Amino acid sequence: EIVLTQSPDTLSLSPGERATLSCRASQSFIRSYLAWYQQRPGQAPKLLISAATKRATGIPDRFSGSGSGADYSLTISRLEPEDFAVYYCQQYVTTPRTFGQGTRVEIK
Amino acid sequence: QVQLKESGPGLVKPSETLSLTCTVSGGSNTDYYWSWIRQSPGKGLEWIGYIHYSGSTNYNPSLMSRATISVDTTKDQFSLKLNSVTAADTAVYFCARHTGSYAPFDFWGQGSLVTVSS
Repeated sequence: EIVLTQSPDTLSLSPGERATLSCRASQSFIRSYLAWYQQRPGQAPKLLISAATKRATGIPDRFSGSGSGADYSLTISRLEPEDFAVYYCQQYVTTPRTFGQGTRVEIK
Repeated sequence: QVQLKESGPGLVKPSETLSLTCTVSGGSNTDYYWSWIRQSPGKGLEWIGYIHYSGSTNYNPSLMSRATISVDTTKDQFSLKLNSVTAADTAVYFCARHTGSYAPFDFWGQGSLVTVSS
């Protein structure tokens, strides 16, 4: 099983600031089958990024993904009020599919 | 726009079987894959398994064969049964769609809280 470790657990930032979230896998992926999701309280996760770098339909371009191998990042260039939420990475390269433990982006 | 909605009992007794159904609307369910995912405070997000509309399945080995996913294409529904439940199975259960066996979850249901308690 691939274990995904996200860091930091919590990121305290102000609106307008840049957020960089990390996701490290316990083994390297041959193919970058890594997704990022945003989850707001009481809602289901929402797909932001697939294949490490591809924004999902309707996702603003302030969200970007990067990385390869075992190290991946999600960057939010300028935080908007609606971006304060929990973010999860998820791999879909092997069974079982696994998720990171999440990074909470909170208002400073 | 595809919509998914989970339904089923919110309370299940220990050792009994948890049963949930996901109803898909707003689009065809052929050629897609349909997963169950759960979220609990203790274990975070956990993928349970998926089914293709053809009936082929793939499960998380950690559930030790307790889970069964089935599909009813005539009703645009797929279902989860999880037997021999314990308090550790208390979670919000989500259904989700993906466009391939190696694809992310692009549409999710709102989630259904299931509590295991006597």
